[in-house]
Amino acid sequence: GAVVSQHPSWVICKSGTSVKIECRSLDFQATTMFWYRQFPKQSLMLMATSNEGSKATYEQGVEKDKFLINHASLTLSTLTVTSAHPEDSSFYICSARDSGSRYEQYFGPGTRLTVT
Amino acid sequence: KNQVEQSPQSLIILEGKNCTLQCNYTVSPFSNLRWYKQDTGRGPVSLTIMTFSENTKSNGRYTATLDADTKQSSLHITASQLSDSASYICVANQAGTALIFGKGTTLSVSS
Repeated sequence: GAVVSQHPSWVICKSGTSVKIECRSLDFQATTMFWYRQFPKQSLMLMATSNEGSKATYEQGVEKDKFLINHASLTLSTLTVTSAHPEDSSFYICSARDSGSRYEQYFGPGTRLTVT
Repeated sequence: KNQVEQSPQSLIILEGKNCTLQCNYTVSPFSNLRWYKQDTGRGPVSLTIMTFSENTKSNGRYTATLDADTKQSSLHITASQLSDSASYICVANQAGTALIFGKGTTLSVSS
């Protein structure tokens, strides 16, 4: 089946620094990728939708200057958390929509970010 | 308001027993209904996807049903195993837009 990878799987950073998370579709092309955030015991919350070669669309309340998204190729999207603060600590999950499938969307394994 | 509600919030069953999880959705226009399994600290894994014209779909010991008229879905797990312990998330796809997630049902299977 289709596989989506994320790197790193977990990261600890100091407050004020920036962290980049990569999301890759390993065996399919994804013109659209999604970034979610999940707090403990809560459901996934969509942060932004990124389309290859164009600017990401952010959900209401998500700061685009803080969460920089780049979708430079059909298999790679990156999320950069800039000037991270402890409240940014969360589980970040990406998903990728298979360009050849009408519905299917595959999720990555997630990245645990802890800001100290 | 587009939303997905799941019940129960949590469930504990003995290994080998069956269980059924419920999902009600109010999403329009509706495209499809999905069930995902999410292990702790992992991303969701797709179990089933059903369009409005499908009533039931199976994936091994998992069987999902969909009633598009009443906007209800269920996920039935047969002969539960310890590895079934996870959060099960019901997701409604609004046509042409993003997925709408339920809060999930946390299933614990004990021996």
